[in-house]
Amino acid sequence: DAGITQSPRHKVTETGTPVTLRCHQTENHRYMYWYRQDPGHGLRLIHYSYGVKDTDKGEVSDGYSVSRSKTEDFLLTLESATSSQTSVYFCAIRRLVDSPLHFGNGTRLTVT
Amino acid sequence: TQLLEQSPQFLSIQEGENLTVYCNSSSVFSSLQWYRQEPGEGPVLLVTVVTGGEVKKLKRLTFQFGDARKDSSLHITAAQPGDTGLYLCAGITNTPLVFGKGTRLSVIA
Repeated sequence: DAGITQSPRHKVTETGTPVTLRCHQTENHRYMYWYRQDPGHGLRLIHYSYGVKDTDKGEVSDGYSVSRSKTEDFLLTLESATSSQTSVYFCAIRRLVDSPLHFGNGTRLTVT
Repeated sequence: TQLLEQSPQFLSIQEGENLTVYCNSSSVFSSLQWYRQEPGEGPVLLVTVVTGGEVKKLKRLTFQFGDARKDSSLHITAAQPGDTGLYLCAGITNTPLVFGKGTRLSVIA
């Protein structure tokens, strides 16, 4: 593994509740990404970060926010979870903009 | 929006057969990566192809990047049950990676 830990690995929550997913890396890589993976849609980028406090939106950012106060941690927050946000969420890191992505093992989120 | 189309979406074959999966786009990429994902895990990089027309071999896997750098193929020779998984292609430009939806391969013993 490339030193990426996602927590929690599984979570069940109710509609309307806030949820925060954590991605922690020990590689000191600059770039960090949050993807969601759904059947029929593949991997879709939610938000990404290119440095501490530097973040940008991906293609499916509505309903999500992120924060990166330290190089090693990238947090994804669902302010008010909806059933459409039931998914598997993957964090990924990479050293340079054209380096390979290294993925965590995912967080399976179920919103009831 | 840059799109990568992968085909076929699903593939079920017998052990020992050969197969090819395709990754096509109307966009030009500076390079293209192939990942493999197993259940319960994140995708893992198999290869990066950079030069138009480039061919890379990884044991029984052969990867090719199109001359125009818009498409790629993955050929597996004599498939084995251990090749089972989701194969994803990803194109690199000056924006974050664009992923195809994947080809789910099942190799039956």
